[in-house]
Amino acid sequence: DAGVIQSPRHEVTEMGQEVTLRCKPISGHNSLFWYRQTMMRGLELLIYFNNNVPIDDSGMPEDRFSAKMPNASFSTLKIQPSEPRDSAVYFCASSLFKMDQFFGPGTRLTVL
Amino acid sequence: AQTVTQSQPEMSVQEAETVTLSCTYDTSESDYYLFWYKQPPSRQMILVIRQEAYKQQNATENRFSVNFQKAAKSFSLKISDSQLGDAAMYFCAYRSYQGGSEKLVFGKGTKLTVNP
Repeated sequence: DAGVIQSPRHEVTEMGQEVTLRCKPISGHNSLFWYRQTMMRGLELLIYFNNNVPIDDSGMPEDRFSAKMPNASFSTLKIQPSEPRDSAVYFCASSLFKMDQFFGPGTRLTVL
Repeated sequence: AQTVTQSQPEMSVQEAETVTLSCTYDTSESDYYLFWYKQPPSRQMILVIRQEAYKQQNATENRFSVNFQKAAKSFSLKISDSQLGDAAMYFCAYRSYQGGSEKLVFGKGTKLTVNP
């Protein structure tokens, strides 16, 4: 059974460019989470979807960040325009509501 | 807001020995879940063990066990018979439910080195 799938695994871009990170949750899971991991701030939640609806986006740093979940099997996190301080590892996780969260392999983003 | 504190940035253990990683948390909730996640150099976040706050019995998963002290808000992880593959970052996490939202609140992590 496939786990959470994220793409790309690595992304290197230049400041000002648009970046799109993708996530396919585990089939049947109805909760999806985007987390960001940095040395300074550790792991922190960016946004939480339940049944494809954004429930909590209080962790989204600013308007440059947006996330969508058009259906139960796909979500995107977009940064436009990107800045060097956005460099981090971005994780997608999924779960059944209030059950264990399973993480994808992460996307390492480097903004030059 | 809930907070999770891991006071040991780094720990080391000899292969086959036992090591304990510490974690404390702060919450006003009475029912919650606590977790330990392992992050090896591959950066994959792997769930190691889960503890439900309403259960007094400490959780165990093979060589991994926890010491859950609810009153003290302490949740330590014990790794027995340490193996080279146990070397990784270990994160303690609290699962929070507030205002209809769900999230994991993580500690800063403990880097575990296993010496042969």
